[in-house]
Amino acid sequence: QVQLQESGPGLVKPSETLSLTCAVSGGSISSFYWSWIRQPPGRGLEWIGYIYDSGSTKYNPSLKSRVTMPVDTSKNQFSLKLNSVTAADTAVYYCARGATSGYHWYFDLWGRGTLVTVSS
Amino acid sequence: DIQMTQSPSSLSASVGDRVTITCRASQSISTYLNWYQQKPGKAPKFLIFAVSSLESGVPSRFSGSGSGTDFTLTISSLQPEDFATYYCQQSYSSPYTFGQGTKLEIK
Repeated sequence: QVQLQESGPGLVKPSETLSLTCAVSGGSISSFYWSWIRQPPGRGLEWIGYIYDSGSTKYNPSLKSRVTMPVDTSKNQFSLKLNSVTAADTAVYYCARGATSGYHWYFDLWGRGTLVTVSS
Repeated sequence: DIQMTQSPSSLSASVGDRVTITCRASQSISTYLNWYQQKPGKAPKFLIFAVSSLESGVPSRFSGSGSGTDFTLTISSLQPEDFATYYCQQSYSSPYTFGQGTKLEIK
């Protein structure tokens, strides 16, 4: 079955760029919306943005100025780059698949998540 | 942004109880409402989309209802594996926001 696996540094210095990759295995990256969602320790979930396999993107306006989400269909993976990080960006970062049914869409598959701590 | 507010924030219940969690949207989201379950240290698990459509494999003791701004998730007879935190999420408009979560604990 399809599985998602996040990878990247667990520690990032303030003002630097957080970079994570989500590898999709067991299925194609095509025809789905691929999202990043984060969860600060002990808190709720925040959607960061998505990329569609064509490369079209939509980002949360609260993060839009700092986020990019490139996709590499040849490697079946997509990435998150969040620049100018601060301690407020410390969170578990999940990649998730956005599936659709008619006009409805939802996050039906999630990676296990990776904790990223922003600290000097 | 559409604000999603869940109540209660926490709930204590016993195995076999029927429980209901409420989710309220700050504006109408029609039926664009999904539910997730999260256990400690784990990723959220998708349960329900479009208010009441169960994901394949989700037990039928889970059900959802509502439309517009008010929604509910009901677990008809709690099982030990149901103790977790539940989140609602709207897919009506970007940014796609989640409720703050309802932690369901064993009484």
